[in-house]
Amino acid sequence: GNSVTQMEGPVTLSEEAFLTINCTYTATGYPSLFWYVQYPGEGLQLLLKATKADDKGSNKGFEATYRKETTSFHLEKGSVQVSDSAVYFCALRYSSASKIIFGSGTRLSIRP
Amino acid sequence: DGGITQSPKYLFRKEGQNVTLSCEQNLNHDAMYWYRQDPGQGLRLIYYSQIVNDFQKGDIAEGYSVSREKKESFPLTVTSAQKNPTAFYLCASNGMNTEAFFGQGTRLTVV
Repeated sequence: GNSVTQMEGPVTLSEEAFLTINCTYTATGYPSLFWYVQYPGEGLQLLLKATKADDKGSNKGFEATYRKETTSFHLEKGSVQVSDSAVYFCALRYSSASKIIFGSGTRLSIRP
Repeated sequence: DGGITQSPKYLFRKEGQNVTLSCEQNLNHDAMYWYRQDPGQGLRLIYYSQIVNDFQKGDIAEGYSVSREKKESFPLTVTSAQKNPTAFYLCASNGMNTEAFFGQGTRLTVV
């Protein structure tokens, strides 16, 4: 079936470090891929998305590239800030009529 | 402003009581969802609805019930049959070709 597997946390980094959070997926066809962010006590917000192979989604310094050959959508940021501390969820949607499937989430903590 | 609204933000339930969590959206989305999130954990799907007057069980539907009488509204009732209801509850919606939009959540505590 369709599924998303993401890097287990927690991930702890120092401020200005480089961030990668891995996400791989299993899906039929050509799913749309998403990264969501959840700050403490809040709902999830869309961070970025990509709808076809080789698309790069970007927002607030975060980037992720849709790699069909490796079925991956890894999240990257060149220099993290304390304010990036949150839980990050990778997700996919395999058709326009299907529900969105979420990964288990990765907690990120940034030290000053 | 278009969006999805959950209420209340905090809710306290006594043992043996049913409580209803509200979720309303003005995004004209067909699909709506309820998730449960326990501390430090991911999302678990309780129920979802892809059209008015129809809904399906998710992975952890036992002890919960929903209705979808209007497109805009998808209330969740936590019944007394749910033995461990203390959690953070999130409602979401999406359109045919959109990402999911989330409410701000309701934190339910059994007292």
